[in-house]
Amino acid sequence: DTAVSQTPKYLVTQMGNDKSIKCEQNLGHDTMYWYKQDSKKFLKIMFSYNNKELIINETVPNRFSPKSPDKAHLNLHINSLELGDSAVYFCASSQNSGVTDTQYFGPGTRLTVL
Amino acid sequence: GDSVTQMEGPVTLSEEAFLTINCTYTATGYPSLFWYVQYPGEGLQLLLKATKADDKGSNKGFEATYRKETTSFHLEKGSVQVSDSAVYFCALEGGTSYGKLTFGQGTILTVHP
Repeated sequence: DTAVSQTPKYLVTQMGNDKSIKCEQNLGHDTMYWYKQDSKKFLKIMFSYNNKELIINETVPNRFSPKSPDKAHLNLHINSLELGDSAVYFCASSQNSGVTDTQYFGPGTRLTVL
Repeated sequence: GDSVTQMEGPVTLSEEAFLTINCTYTATGYPSLFWYVQYPGEGLQLLLKATKADDKGSNKGFEATYRKETTSFHLEKGSVQVSDSAVYFCALEGGTSYGKLTFGQGTILTVHP
């Protein structure tokens, strides 16, 4: 039973399109995250939510809009896709947002913008 | 802000060789430190962690000790296997990185039979 799942696994789309990536966790965690991994494997936080409330919003273009309908889900919607958005996007969750809480990662969604 | 620096890769070793991947950090306060591993085509998995100075994290034969005096958290394994081939990420949480992981750039490890 997958702890943190993401759909789709692969997403290929044209520049200018709007797309969404979905994330679900069945661990009963309160906090969820989106990370972006670029072509050089560098990982950077984008957003985090705790109990459906946004708590971290890094310097991300406002074309990216996260939505948390409930504690178990955190979706990422991207408007007007650009070539530079091509990356692997990872969802993660943790029990709380504390320093000692382990984050559990999903398998990633590889987004390719043509 | 907080930052994590890992040794440059890629690292190529023969099976049963000794592994060290260096990691140093810059942070305010007392962060927690983590090593994550990413196998080909997969997401990240927590390998080990340490939450305070002098703590040693260990898992699957890997070890790392939280050294506050040298701000380091080097990953070691006495005898690597082909199945250890992966990308290894050092990360911290705390200080100005409270509530989020700040990652190093990752180190690609390839182990040959």
